[in-house]
Amino acid sequence: GDSVTQMEGPVTLSEEAFLTINCTYTATGYPSLFWYVQYPGEGLQLLLKATKADDKGSNKGFEATYRKETTSFHLEKGSVQVSDSAVYFCALSLPNTGNQFYFGTGTSLTVIP
Amino acid sequence: DTAVSQTPKYLVTQMGNDKSIKCEQNLGHDTMYWYKQDSKKFLKIMFSYNNKELIINETVPNRFSPKSPDKAHLNLHINSLELGDSAVYFCASSQGAGGNYGYTFGSGTRLTVV
Repeated sequence: GDSVTQMEGPVTLSEEAFLTINCTYTATGYPSLFWYVQYPGEGLQLLLKATKADDKGSNKGFEATYRKETTSFHLEKGSVQVSDSAVYFCALSLPNTGNQFYFGTGTSLTVIP
Repeated sequence: DTAVSQTPKYLVTQMGNDKSIKCEQNLGHDTMYWYKQDSKKFLKIMFSYNNKELIINETVPNRFSPKSPDKAHLNLHINSLELGDSAVYFCASSQGAGGNYGYTFGSGTRLTVV
């Protein structure tokens, strides 16, 4: 079935370190891919998205490239800040599925000064 | 102006009670959802409504009943609350087929059943 697998957490990094959170997907069609971020005590916010192969989504210094050949959408940031501490969710959406999203299990990131 | 608003933000109640969570969106979206997030942050879809019509009804106990009086509102009523219902419940909305534009989430309702 359709699903998203993302790397287990928690992830702890020092400020200004490089971040990669891996995400791979399984889908029967051509999904749109998303990263959502959940700050403590808040709802999920859309961080970035890509709707077709080779698209790169970017926002707030975060980037992810839709790789169809490896079915991946890894999240990267060159220099993390303490304020990036949050839980990150990878998700996919397929057309004609009633707008249903498939979320990964979330990866908790803590950035220490 | 909050795009997707849920009330209440916190709800503490005893086992066996009946409670409701309300959700409203002012984005003009045509689809609304309820998700349950457990203590490990795992998100599970419960229901989806498109223009007041139920389109997704995942395997949840029939104690949970969604109600959509109009396309801007999707309320969740829970009967005979159980300890295992304790979780954070998120309302969300979207526009467009296949969710290409992404969801907009509410800030969540933390339900604690004691």
